[in-house]
Amino acid sequence: DQQVKQNSPSLSVQEGRISILNCDYTNSMFDYFLWYKKYPAEGPTFLISISSIKDKNEDGRFTVFLNKSAKHLSLHIVPSQPGDSAVYFCAARSYNQGGKLIFGQGTELSVKP
Amino acid sequence: GAVVSQHPSWVICKSGTSVKIECRSLDFQATTMFWYRQFPKQSLMLMATSNEGSKATYEQGVEKDKFLINHASLTLSTLTVTSAHPEDSSFYICSARDQRLARETQYFGPGTRLLVL
Repeated sequence: DQQVKQNSPSLSVQEGRISILNCDYTNSMFDYFLWYKKYPAEGPTFLISISSIKDKNEDGRFTVFLNKSAKHLSLHIVPSQPGDSAVYFCAARSYNQGGKLIFGQGTELSVKP
Repeated sequence: GAVVSQHPSWVICKSGTSVKIECRSLDFQATTMFWYRQFPKQSLMLMATSNEGSKATYEQGVEKDKFLINHASLTLSTLTVTSAHPEDSSFYICSARDQRLARETQYFGPGTRLLVL
């Protein structure tokens, strides 16, 4: 049972445009969500997070939106840069599961010059 | 952000040997570390939660006698793959939670590529 889903395995965007990566979840006990960026053969790098009590968090070019009623979150990157090309994972934490994160399948973002 | 290191970055071994992977938090203390494995083109799968000074908590389907975890200090956790077989070949990644910061944020090591021949 996939509790965190990223239904788009890949996304291609033109440099300078907005990249929108989506993530859906099923467990209503999740109270914290995170986005990680990962290059091949490297560990994930933390990007941005959001608590379930908020609906938006912004950090520079990255903004995460949370829609609790729809159990949906998205990561917006604007403007997109070629260096943003990587695999993006969303992850969710349930407060009653010892802090472990459940990861989505990842979306490979390609930003073309 | 916080820095987590792993050693070795890659290892090739013969079937039947044991391999130890170290995970260190370099500039913070971590009472909890996590071990993941990732197969090509797939997501990160949590193997176990490593707690300093106590036994690790393993996820369903992960053999605790196969994957030995030791978290002897607040900055070091080790994963030992015992009697490794080719199917154990994978990318192993650890993460640590920085106690000083938001407890929910985990910082990941660079990963260890294991190839068992």
